[in-house]
Amino acid sequence: DSGVTQTPKHLITATGQRVTLRCSPRSGDLSVYWYQQSLDQGLQFLIQYYNGEERAKGNILERFSAQQFPDLHSELNLSSLELGDSALYFCASSPGTSDTYEQYFGPGTRLTVT
Amino acid sequence: KNQVEQSPQSLIILEGKNCTLQCNYTVSPFSNLRWYKQDTGRGPVSLTIMTFSENTKSNGRYTATLDADTKQSSLHITASQLSDSASYICVVSPDYGQNFVFGPGTRLSVLP
Repeated sequence: DSGVTQTPKHLITATGQRVTLRCSPRSGDLSVYWYQQSLDQGLQFLIQYYNGEERAKGNILERFSAQQFPDLHSELNLSSLELGDSALYFCASSPGTSDTYEQYFGPGTRLTVT
Repeated sequence: KNQVEQSPQSLIILEGKNCTLQCNYTVSPFSNLRWYKQDTGRGPVSLTIMTFSENTKSNGRYTATLDADTKQSSLHITASQLSDSASYICVVSPDYGQNFVFGPGTRLSVLP
């Protein structure tokens, strides 16, 4: 158990809908990262937040957005969903912003868009 | 274009044997390289993190090497166990900005 929690574990929704994925980092960690893992594209970095502020952006679509709240939990919002958005979404956390910090991954949310 | 390639795509070995997985990258400038182990359907678990100045790093039966000149890394697994069956993913950070480029992974199966 990494100490990172993600809810829900599974989510099934229809195309065009909007969903929110939630992540609670390990106690004391200030950085949260979001990743997408699909069968055809592997793992991709989406976005990072540090202590409430956006820190780095990867391959995140404009239909996706995220935020980190004062209690340090984070939410990833996915809108206008398409079939290709079906994937495992992972959240990870680390103590700070150093790029050599170990990242601890949560169990993931499996999103299925039908 | 920043890319990470891994070989082989998949590997089958017998329990107790050693194996070596390869990672080649074109990421530049280079900040650090990570190896992760990922069981099917679960989140990746960090094995090693190496900066450009490090040549080797060990974590139990896992030893990673890095040659920043040739842009190659390897992960050596000693005395494999059934629990080593997983995907092993190489990740390279291109700069200080905390972006990450993932390799496609090597699927390792350890048979009794």
